[in-house]
Amino acid sequence: GEDVEQSLFLSVREGDSSVINCTYTDSSSTYLYWYKQEPGAGLQLLTYIFSNMDMKQDQRLTVLLNKKDKHLSLRIADTQTGDSAIYFCAERGSSNTGKLIFGQGTTLQVKP
Amino acid sequence: DAGVIQSPRHEVTEMGQEVTLRCKPISGHNSLFWYRQTMMRGLELLIYFNNNVPIDDSGMPEDRFSAKMPNASFSTLKIQPSEPRDSAVYFCASSFGDNQPQHFGDGTRLSIL
Repeated sequence: GEDVEQSLFLSVREGDSSVINCTYTDSSSTYLYWYKQEPGAGLQLLTYIFSNMDMKQDQRLTVLLNKKDKHLSLRIADTQTGDSAIYFCAERGSSNTGKLIFGQGTTLQVKP
Repeated sequence: DAGVIQSPRHEVTEMGQEVTLRCKPISGHNSLFWYRQTMMRGLELLIYFNNNVPIDDSGMPEDRFSAKMPNASFSTLKIQPSEPRDSAVYFCASSFGDNQPQHFGDGTRLSIL
């Protein structure tokens, strides 16, 4: 079945780069997404990548997709304390429905 | 622009009571999704609608849960009767077409005592 895995916790110092990793199982995934959740809030769409791309950059965010290894990563350059949140990876599978499969989320802690 | 609007933000009620959660999607979006988030199970899709029609309700836990979308700007998720294990954060999301990025509301934090 479809499954998405993420590490649970990452701690970095302010100003460093953060790399959050995600693996998925559905080789027919069409789109892959990164969402950010701050305490008490909903999920905020950060960025997404189509499966025929291997990289997408948007200001401080860089998404890398290795389709062969079914590995997705989110790099945040110059990490700030405001980046502290839970980051969710999600895939849209091949079933041609609107269903997204979410990972369990990575808590990013940014130390000053 | 207004995002997805959910109400109430918090709900505390006793088991056995009926609970109704409400959602107003982003204007122009024609797909609407209901999710539940818990520590144990993470984010789970309960049901989604396309053009007000339920497309996939395989995630609805049991018959105590029901969802409606009477028009393009309003949806409800109802739990009757509620149980303590229903305690969770319930999110509504909408998108322009079910293959476009989904935008989430701030959720309803539900506690069943």
